[in-house]
Amino acid sequence: DGGITQSPKYLFRKEGQNVTLSCEQNLNHDAMYWYRQDPGQGLRLIYYSQIVNDFQKGDIAEGYSVSREKKESFPLTVTSAQKNPTAFYLCASSVQGPLNTEAFFGQGTRLTVV
Amino acid sequence: AQSVTQLDSHVSVSEGTPVLLRCNYSSSYSPSLFWYVQHPNKGLQLLLKYTSAATLVKGINGFEAEFKKSETSFHLTKPSAHMSDAAEYFCVVSAFALYGNKLVFGAGTILRVKS
Repeated sequence: DGGITQSPKYLFRKEGQNVTLSCEQNLNHDAMYWYRQDPGQGLRLIYYSQIVNDFQKGDIAEGYSVSREKKESFPLTVTSAQKNPTAFYLCASSVQGPLNTEAFFGQGTRLTVV
Repeated sequence: AQSVTQLDSHVSVSEGTPVLLRCNYSSSYSPSLFWYVQHPNKGLQLLLKYTSAATLVKGINGFEAEFKKSETSFHLTKPSAHMSDAAEYFCVVSAFALYGNKLVFGAGTILRVKS
């Protein structure tokens, strides 16, 4: 089955610790995205990548880092510099190009700071 | 810049009655618009999209939306609500960005369906 797989589903982080969220897609999509979701705020873009070995900051990139070494993979690292990391994180992918292209989403990772 | 405003944070309807979720958008050019649905602790699923073809767009599960340029609206409707429709709904506009297109999300509307 084609789709986007995020892991783990639940993640707990101690303060001061870096954690990495995994996102893998087998849809052969060029573009991949990371969003953060907080109650009542919709989805906010953290980073996006239109092609392998290239990525751009979104609206709330501070305290996060990404890599895009393979077309299929776009891992997100939440660093200790992110002061309020508890949230639901969603990865998405799309065919690169026209504005009418929809995104396909993974099932999300819920990160909690303990 | 593109933006989306969902006019209601919560909507409550009885099963079998019509659903109306309101969305207004702002765009400096002809936009592409989407509605997504999210069930608790799940990813987002595309309900329907408008891409400058027919202004009345039909989606999955009996939902439809009408693009009204004069009102800058893209409201989501369904004639008869079902219990399984209870979820959060997001109105989304596609936006140009320097390095590729981005999706701009509204804050979401939580739909509650009463039996």
